[in-house]
Amino acid sequence: DGGITQSPKYLFRKEGQNVTLSCEQNLNHDAMYWYRQDPGQGLRLIYYSQIVNDFQKGDIAEGYSVSREKKESFPLTVTSAQKNPTAFYLCASSSPEGLSYGYTFGSGTRLTVV
Amino acid sequence: RKEVEQDPGPFNVPEGATVAFNCTYSNSASQSFFWYRQDCRKEPKLLMSVYSSGNEDGRFTAQLNRASQYISLLIRDSKLSDSATYLCVVKGYTGNQFYFGTGTSLTVIP
Repeated sequence: DGGITQSPKYLFRKEGQNVTLSCEQNLNHDAMYWYRQDPGQGLRLIYYSQIVNDFQKGDIAEGYSVSREKKESFPLTVTSAQKNPTAFYLCASSSPEGLSYGYTFGSGTRLTVV
Repeated sequence: RKEVEQDPGPFNVPEGATVAFNCTYSNSASQSFFWYRQDCRKEPKLLMSVYSSGNEDGRFTAQLNRASQYISLLIRDSKLSDSATYLCVVKGYTGNQFYFGTGTSLTVIP
């Protein structure tokens, strides 16, 4: 079955560490996105990529980095520069033809700083 | 001004009640509109797209008012399983970016 897989489901990070969240899709979607969700604030866009080897900053890119070396994969690195990384991270994808159907989301990664 | 604004609620309604949520969007050139449902600690899932002429899916009815720039979701005969957060989502006028409301919390009470 086609879908988006995020891993790990739960992740704990120590202060000063970089961590990488995985996002893989087999939907053959061109566009992929990373969102962060905090209580009461809705989803905020971190980075997005509309094509392989290209990506753009979203509204809250500081302290994060991404790569898009393959169409299927869009990993997100939360760097030590991100001062408040504890949040629920959601990866999504869409295709240009399917935009009338919205996004498909992964099941999310819950990151906690310890 | 936020791209998409919703009343966060919470809405607490008895089983069988009819409940309506509204959402406003700021850019008149916005192209596509959706309602997503998000259960606690889960990812959002598409509930329904919203078409200009309005559309219905079982107990759910979505409407779009472009002149006033708002969309609505009506849930009839509420079930306990309808308890969730409902997110209003608008596709931006450029590119493939979607904008999310903060969500409206619904609890259906036995």
